[in-house]
Amino acid sequence: EVQLMQSGVEVKKPGESLRVSCQTSGYSFNDYWIAWVRQKSGRGLEWMGIIYGGDSSVRESPSFKGQVTMSVDRAINTAYLEWTSLKASDSAMYYCARYIVPGAGGWLDPWGQGTLVTVSS
Amino acid sequence: QSALTQPASVSGSPGQSITIPCTGSHTDIGAYESVSWYQQHPGKVPKVIIFDVTSRSSGVSDRFAGSKAGNTASLIISGLQAEDEAEYFCCSYTTDGFLVFGGGTKVTVL
Repeated sequence: EVQLMQSGVEVKKPGESLRVSCQTSGYSFNDYWIAWVRQKSGRGLEWMGIIYGGDSSVRESPSFKGQVTMSVDRAINTAYLEWTSLKASDSAMYYCARYIVPGAGGWLDPWGQGTLVTVSS
Repeated sequence: QSALTQPASVSGSPGQSITIPCTGSHTDIGAYESVSWYQQHPGKVPKVIIFDVTSRSSGVSDRFAGSKAGNTASLIISGLQAEDEAEYFCCSYTTDGFLVFGGGTKVTVL
């Protein structure tokens, strides 16, 4: 069974750093992209970007470029989303999902359970 | 890349059929056969129900169907049931090589 397990709830202060993890199992990590999706206060989904497990290639949404860093650790089949200086506006639920790409474009399946990030002074 | 346009809410009575439109442009929905739909119940994780415009994800009821005409994709739910009450998001691949989501549609079963 393909599973994506994310790290737990985070409460941070503005300016602090944070790394959220997404540990995968049940499939070949090197053969798929991992997507990161933001959802603020139960509202819409925002595609942040994708990272390829095989070579760490990254494609970032212009809306998030420079705001976060995506990385992977192939030894433990885990993807990461990292901030160096959090802002209150980063407060949201963050999901990772396996991005299945058979050709031009694809879909997200399955999704991690989400990591709730709250940034408040 | 602007978000795809979905109605904020759609409602229907049990047993009825409803359609959720998702409007994009020639640089996303109109460019590829790569539209997916996600169902999210309150407090739960999104789940793919339709991919590649018309393909149903494993285990998804055949009451759910997807279609596309030009720059607009649609999710059709037939035989509406109480368990279908959820938020639905469309998603498309774009000519920039990104994905873009719709704003979401809340489905209410009356």
